[in-house]
Amino acid sequence: EAQVTQNPRYLITVTGKKLTVTCSQNMNHEYMSWYRQDPGLGLRQIYYSMNVEVTDKGDVPEGYKVSRKEKRNFPLILESPSPNQTSLYFCASKQREGGTRGTEAFFGQGTRLTVV
Amino acid sequence: GDSVTQMEGPVTLSEEAFLTINCTYTATGYPSLFWYVQYPGEGLQLLLKATKADDKGSNKGFEATYRKETTSFHLEKGSVQVSDSAVYFCALLVGDDKIIFGKGTRLHILP
Repeated sequence: EAQVTQNPRYLITVTGKKLTVTCSQNMNHEYMSWYRQDPGLGLRQIYYSMNVEVTDKGDVPEGYKVSRKEKRNFPLILESPSPNQTSLYFCASKQREGGTRGTEAFFGQGTRLTVV
Repeated sequence: GDSVTQMEGPVTLSEEAFLTINCTYTATGYPSLFWYVQYPGEGLQLLLKATKADDKGSNKGFEATYRKETTSFHLEKGSVQVSDSAVYFCALLVGDDKIIFGKGTRLHILP
C-alpha cells in the first residue's frame, strides 16, 4: 500500500529539548516536504527536498532542520523547540513534475506537537 | 507572488443541500489546480484536480472547473452527505513542484 508514515503521532515536550519527527514514504518519490498547520493560517511549508542530499527552505523554516540522506526518509528536527512551534505537522511526498502535470501529493497522518 | 484565496468557514449545511466553496488564485504561468480534503484526525488527500484551462475535475460527486478567465476553481456538490464533513483545501502547483494551499474551509453537514 502506498503510504507516507510519520512518527510519532502525538508528542508533548519541554522547551529546549531536541526532538525528531520521522517521515518515510514507500513510493520512490523524489520530492518530499514538511508543512505545519495552524488555525486560521492553513498549511505552510517548512522545508522541502527535490532529491537525496538536496534540501531547501520553505516559507517558515526558522527553528527547524531537515536531512535527506536516503530517498525514502525525510526527518524534521527541532534542535531547541519553543512553545510557538506547537502545531500539527504533516509530511508529504510526490513525484516531480516533468512530463506529467499536476502530480498528486501524498500526506502522512500528521504529528501533533505540544511544546510546554 | 502565487497565492490561493478560498472562502472562510465554517460552512454549515443540511444533508442533501447544494454545496459551493469558492476558490480564486493568483499565479504566473499556467498552474495545476487541486482540491484536497482532510477528514478528522487524518492527513490531506487529493479530492480532484485540473491541469489546464476549462478542464473539469470530478470525484465522489464533487466537481470543479478550471476557469482561467476568472482565475477560479470553485468546488461544488449537488447533494452533500454527513460523511462529507471535513476541511477542504484549494491548492495550486507551480512549475517548481511547490504546492500552495489556501487556508482551508471547514464544512459541517447536519443530518
